[in-house]
Amino acid sequence: DAGVTQSPTHLIKTRGQHVTLRCSPISGHKSVSWYQQVLGQGPQFIFQYYEKEERGRGNFPDRFSARQFPNYSSELNVNALLLGDSALYLCASSLGLAGGPKGYEQYFGPGTRLTVT
Amino acid sequence: AQTVTQSQPEMSVQEAETVTLSCTYDTSESDYYLFWYKQPPSRQMILVIRQEAYKQQNATENRFSVNFQKAAKSFSLKISDSQLGDAAMYFCAYRRVGGSNYKLTFGKGTLLTVNP
Repeated sequence: DAGVTQSPTHLIKTRGQHVTLRCSPISGHKSVSWYQQVLGQGPQFIFQYYEKEERGRGNFPDRFSARQFPNYSSELNVNALLLGDSALYLCASSLGLAGGPKGYEQYFGPGTRLTVT
Repeated sequence: AQTVTQSQPEMSVQEAETVTLSCTYDTSESDYYLFWYKQPPSRQMILVIRQEAYKQQNATENRFSVNFQKAAKSFSLKISDSQLGDAAMYFCAYRRVGGSNYKLTFGKGTLLTVNP
């Protein structure tokens, strides 16, 4: 089975621009979470979606938004990019509540490296 | 709010030797999950081992084992017979039990170097 996939791999944007990052979960997984990992730090939670509904939001400004589609893939959108948004953006998928005790385990994709200049 | 602290920014070990990575956490919850993730230079975050707080027995996965001290809120990772492929950034992570929010709270990581 294919793992979590993310696109694009790398992205360079200018301050003030908008960016869309995409994530496809493992087949059968219904929950997707997004994390931001600044260089030298651990990942920080941004959003979690389950069955197309937002189930959690981290401490990020409203410039960050996300959605989940009927096929469980997800997009993360960031508006009005700042230099500080430069980071590795990780997507993780989980089975969700239907997965029983192990439904919470998160499997990460390779990430999208965003550079804002 | 829950916090996870990894006090060792960098560690090194000789191939075939044993190394222990430290992690402490702060929470008011009585039940939760703890994890160790490995992130090699390829950036892919890989789950190494998990521990349910209600289980007193320490988790083991082949060469990887944990020392879970609930009262001390300590969760260390021991890597036995270290291999060159173990070189990576290691993150300790916490997740509360219950609810539909699967948020993981990560520490800042420990960079492990394995010397041949």
